[in-house]
Amino acid sequence: GAVVSQHPSRVICKSGTSVKIECRSLDFQATTMFWYRQFPKQSLMLMATSNEGSKATYEQGVEKDKFLINHASLTLSTLTVTSAHPEDSSFYICSAGRDSRSYEQYFGPGTRLTVT
Amino acid sequence: AQSVTQLDSHVSVSEGTPVLLRCNYSSSYSPSLFWYVQHPNKGLQLLLKYTSAATLVKGINGFEAEFKKSETSFHLTKPSAHMSDAAEYFCVVSGLYSSASKIIFGSGTRLSIRP
Repeated sequence: GAVVSQHPSRVICKSGTSVKIECRSLDFQATTMFWYRQFPKQSLMLMATSNEGSKATYEQGVEKDKFLINHASLTLSTLTVTSAHPEDSSFYICSAGRDSRSYEQYFGPGTRLTVT
Repeated sequence: AQSVTQLDSHVSVSEGTPVLLRCNYSSSYSPSLFWYVQHPNKGLQLLLKYTSAATLVKGINGFEAEFKKSETSFHLTKPSAHMSDAAEYFCVVSGLYSSASKIIFGSGTRLSIRP
């Protein structure tokens, strides 16, 4: 199989603090990972593309200084929400592809972030 | 450029009747197409995928979809709905974007099943 995990599954933090979410490919190496956010009853919105060993590519409208992405190894990408505010509360989902030409993505189970 | 349109935001059917969830796409390249299901507060589960092989694709839980290039459609069907099919369904198109693959999600269709 191709399993992607996310940690934590749920997190509650206070406004102004930072939160790190991990995305791991457990049984394959992922040269590319994607980060999405999903608001209630809405579709997934791509935030950024994370490439191992290089800077992430952010979608238009996504603040790169607020959503820090680090893809330090072929099995791990992290998303850090800095100085979180209540409007950052959302469901964050990552996905991983086996290689840069892979059409299929394998999705993590998601992380529910609540900022109080 | 790629895009995907799910024509119905909400579909309601009776248990035991057929299901049809519609999806149209546009793509500059030969696309790969996917259907995912998401149950409340859960991650995404792949139902089926089309990657330029057979145009009629069979997936899990009795779902299937047919790729029709002339209609640029990839509608999802199931002959007989089950209560457990109630969920959100996403049609996804994927293809080469710059040097990496990029996927585009449809807006989703909520499927409700009436007893």
